[in-house]
Amino acid sequence: EAQVTQNPRYLITVTGKKLTVTCSQNMNHEYMSWYRQDPGLGLRQIYYSMNVEVTDKGDVPEGYKVSRKEKRNFPLILESPSPNQTSLYFCASSLLTRGRSAEQYFGPGTRLTVT
Amino acid sequence: KQEVTQIPAALSVPEGENLVLNCSFTDSAIYNLQWFRQDPGKGLTSLLLIQSSQREQTSGRLNASLDKSSGRSTLYIAASQPGDSATYLCAVTSGSARQLTFGSGTQLTVLP
Repeated sequence: EAQVTQNPRYLITVTGKKLTVTCSQNMNHEYMSWYRQDPGLGLRQIYYSMNVEVTDKGDVPEGYKVSRKEKRNFPLILESPSPNQTSLYFCASSLLTRGRSAEQYFGPGTRLTVT
Repeated sequence: KQEVTQIPAALSVPEGENLVLNCSFTDSAIYNLQWFRQDPGKGLTSLLLIQSSQREQTSGRLNASLDKSSGRSTLYIAASQPGDSATYLCAVTSGSARQLTFGSGTQLTVLP
């Protein structure tokens, strides 16, 4: 089954304790990205990657890191989480085709609470 | 910078009604437009994808149209059912980064 998986689905942590949220897709997609969703602010892009070893900032990258060492994986790293990073996080992936853009598939979400 | 607006923010209708959700975007240089459904606290389910060269797409009781030149899209839901109750999000892909920019959503309630 074609899918995007995220782990963990729920996480409660404390300020300053490094954490990683994993994202994996099995569709051989080149493009992967991370979004956060907050009430009143909607969904905003954090980072994106167009291929292995190619990553770039989205609209709200502060406090986050990413890496793309393999095509299927795109982990989101919070080196020193703060309460303002409490949010619902989504990973997404899609094919990248010249001149067109394919449907983006979303993972189930990770609800993060930082106390 | 691309901006996406959805109207109305909330909509409540009786079961069986046909309804229209609206989406507008500021930059017409888009690759595509997607409509998503999101249930409370859940993930995003893709409903329809319209490429920039297309005018509309249909899936079951759903029909989405795209007028790229005017920066508008509509999602038409026929014969609404209580199970259609959810938040509907419109998003456009644009820019060299293929960024997906979302609207704030329309919260739909279909009353039995």
